[in-house]
Amino acid sequence: QVQLVQSGAEVKKPGASVKISCKASGFTFTDYYMNWVRQAPGQGLEWMGLINLSNGGISYAQQLQGRVTMIRDPSATTVYMELSSLRSDDTAVYYCARGRGWSWGDNWGQGTLVTVSS
Amino acid sequence: DIQMTQSPSSLSASVGDRVTITCRASQGISNNLAWYQQKPGEIPKLLIYSASTLQSGVPSRFTGSGSGTDFTLTISSLQPEDVATYYCQKYGSAPITFGQGTRLEIK
Repeated sequence: QVQLVQSGAEVKKPGASVKISCKASGFTFTDYYMNWVRQAPGQGLEWMGLINLSNGGISYAQQLQGRVTMIRDPSATTVYMELSSLRSDDTAVYYCARGRGWSWGDNWGQGTLVTVSS
Repeated sequence: DIQMTQSPSSLSASVGDRVTITCRASQGISNNLAWYQQKPGEIPKLLIYSASTLQSGVPSRFTGSGSGTDFTLTISSLQPEDVATYYCQKYGSAPITFGQGTRLEIK
């Protein structure tokens, strides 16, 4: 069955970077795209960007341009999202979500809590 | 950017009630709309895509409709396990955007 397993919770100081992994299994990796979505405490869902798992093509949300990087490793069927220059308002649960192209997320990772605090 | 506006932001209904949630796009998006359910403490779950296609395994009491700018999610007979926050999502082009969510409670 489809599984997306994310790395564990992180605590970071303001200004630091965080890198989250999303290990995929149960499907043909290169047939899909991977979205990253975050959710601040008590808030709604915010799309961060997506990566084409076949060719590595990416699109980032404008408000994160310059701070976010998404890469994929097909040999490890793993996707990574790195967010730099962390601020307190980056505190959120971060999700990877599989999609076919620019489409809906049919399977989601379990989420990774990132806490940014001095 | 296309904005997605849900209404109401919260609602309370009784078990067995018919419940409707609305999502409006600031520009036409054809049928490029999905609905998700997020129960407290859980990850989002896909309910409907392409505005009206029920995801496999989702109970048939959930239906989606609409095209262009106006969309609805209807629960035909509310069940206690439907307590959740519901989000619409526009896709198909950058940026992908979510509605602000509708919190559904049982009276």
